[in-house]
Amino acid sequence: QKEVEQNSGPLSVPEGAIASLNCTYSDRGSQSFFWYRQYSGKSPELIMFIYSNGDKEDGRFTAQLNKASQYVSLLIRDSQPSDSATYLCAVILIGGFKTIFGAGTRLFVKA
Amino acid sequence: GAVVSQHPSWVICKSGTSVKIECRSLDFQATTMFWYRQFPKQSLMLMATSNEGSKATYEQGVEKDKFLINHASLTLSTLTVTSAHPEDSSFYICSARRLSSRTAEDTEAFFGQGTRLTVV
Repeated sequence: QKEVEQNSGPLSVPEGAIASLNCTYSDRGSQSFFWYRQYSGKSPELIMFIYSNGDKEDGRFTAQLNKASQYVSLLIRDSQPSDSATYLCAVILIGGFKTIFGAGTRLFVKA
Repeated sequence: GAVVSQHPSWVICKSGTSVKIECRSLDFQATTMFWYRQFPKQSLMLMATSNEGSKATYEQGVEKDKFLINHASLTLSTLTVTSAHPEDSSFYICSARRLSSRTAEDTEAFFGQGTRLTVV
């Protein structure tokens, strides 16, 4: 089992809709969770991090964490074509040392 | 956010030569830097963890004699791809974490711009 799993997509949503991206992780002791956005040929850029159960909102983005289910998600409200990118879920494993990335979900927002 | 500078952004080299990639944290000290490799349409694969003043920790399957890592100071780590071959062509990305990364909130990794290596 991969340590961090994401649906590779592509996920296609119309402009203005809500995009929902999901991620599961295998290490129950994982402590920090991150969502990165990566445009083609560029380095990842951090969108949000979350470390407590529940929801965390920042503008159009909401991260949701459920440690019991080992599940973290990212909601993008009012999706824009500029949101089209690959979204990477990342997890800090036990010990707070290595950051492990999921394979990423490709999102397309259609104008 | 903090700035991590990676250089060069792209390089083309001949097969059999060596290439050095630098990763600098410009406005913070980083005890730990990470080196990733990313092939087209794939995720970032952690190659090694670089700790200032000590030997790097390599992930399984990564040849330490081929990918030499030096973390000589709290702001600089280098990755040298030795005797490069076409299959080493990839996007190499470094990231750094702050010296004071002791809390869950402070574990964000800041990424360099990446280096596109092409071996011909």
